[in-house]
Amino acid sequence: GENVEQHPSTLSVQEGDSAVIKCTYSDSASNYFPWYKQELGKGPQLIIDIRSNVGEKKDQRIAVTLNKTAKHFSLHITETQPEDSAVYFCAASLNSGYALNFGKGTSLLVTP
Amino acid sequence: SQTIHQWPATLVQPVGSPLSLECTVEGTSNPNLYWYRQAAGRGLQLLFYSVGIGQISSEVPQNLSASRPQDRQFILSSKKLLLSDSGFYLCAWSLGQGREKLFFGSGTQLSVL
Repeated sequence: GENVEQHPSTLSVQEGDSAVIKCTYSDSASNYFPWYKQELGKGPQLIIDIRSNVGEKKDQRIAVTLNKTAKHFSLHITETQPEDSAVYFCAASLNSGYALNFGKGTSLLVTP
Repeated sequence: SQTIHQWPATLVQPVGSPLSLECTVEGTSNPNLYWYRQAAGRGLQLLFYSVGIGQISSEVPQNLSASRPQDRQFILSSKKLLLSDSGFYLCAWSLGQGREKLFFGSGTQLSVL
């Protein structure tokens, strides 16, 4: 089955700096890659997603890049703010319509 | 718009007691429904998913079971809780049919003592 690896497990940046979280996947047939943000005590919220026919997608301060050849994708957050502090999860799907395979999460701390 | 409701938000149960967590989705029909568990400091583990009423698939054999008595209702149960059942339980839904966007509920923090 699909195996998603996520790095780093923790990340601390100063407010205003950029943060990058990387994920690799094992199944080259995977074609859908979402990112979720989970605040303490809450359920994960979808923040951005990308499909395998696109190399990059941007939404204001967040962007996701995908390298299908290398089987890795990354989340980029620019001009970080304290409210960006949360756990971020990447995931990959085979377009099966029923399940996502998640990475183990990255705890991001943005210090003022 | 679609909304997902999950309750209770927190639950403390003794070992050996039964469990029933409920999840309902509003604003859509025939959703795919999921139960995930999140242990402290770890990722999201898929426990069960359902593509329709009475159709349950289990990803991990364990002490838990799931049922879908109605189209938009998903229930997670246990007859006898174990200490290892402690964790953060998340219900989620998607539209299915190849549309993978997954939307999570607010979660239930279960502590088994």
